Amino acid sequence: DAKTTQPPSMDCAEGRAANLPCNHSTISGNEYVYWYRQIHSQGPQYIIHGLKNNETNEMASLIITEDRKSSTLILPHATLRDTAVYYCIVTGTASKLTFGTGTRLQVTL
Amino acid sequence: DTEVTQTPKHLVMGMTNKKSLKCEQHMGHRAMYWYKQKAKKPPELMFVYSYEKLSINESVPSRFSPECPNSSLLNLHLHALQPEDSALYLCASSQPKRGGYNEQFFGPGTRLTVL
Repeated sequence: DAKTTQPPSMDCAEGRAANLPCNHSTISGNEYVYWYRQIHSQGPQYIIHGLKNNETNEMASLIITEDRKSSTLILPHATLRDTAVYYCIVTGTASKLTFGTGTRLQVTL
Repeated sequence: DTEVTQTPKHLVMGMTNKKSLKCEQHMGHRAMYWYKQKAKKPPELMFVYSYEKLSINESVPSRFSPECPNSSLLNLHLHALQPEDSALYLCASSQPKRGGYNEQFFGPGTRLTVL
């Protein structure tokens, strides 16, 4: 599975959009980009995934560049409850998730 | 019911004890997983069961013994653990689909302390 690079931490003001970047320059054609988050002392939670096209669901949007070497997770209106570690995972099979160190997002008032 | 439950929430055991962790889901998922998460580190995959058969073992020491008695239940039997095995143990489930698997649903974890 391709490796990913994420900034270790980010801050976001409540109510603003949080844009979390992820680099995956070695991604291959059949690998998906998955995003999970882990709120303190809880199990990880699935957010969204995509292959080539941009995706949106009730939680977030996923923007994947045309060359697929990077992506951005967008939380459109961040709240304090979105404070968590966000993991970007690239995998050819969602049965085997390899978590990197993730981005610690702190949402502040 | 979109929940994965894990019991117990906390467990303290000695190095000579035998204990078991339990995980349950009623979403009809046919893939179940065990992960280990040390403090301030990301989760690491230990085992994957697909249709009640062990499909992935990430070179986990034999003192950890998984068991999948039916499609809803997953156990992790622990024996002769070491203090460095203290961690949060997470269970997850997902539904296999053509060409892969759907997203994983995680339980809250069991926090294990080995004395």
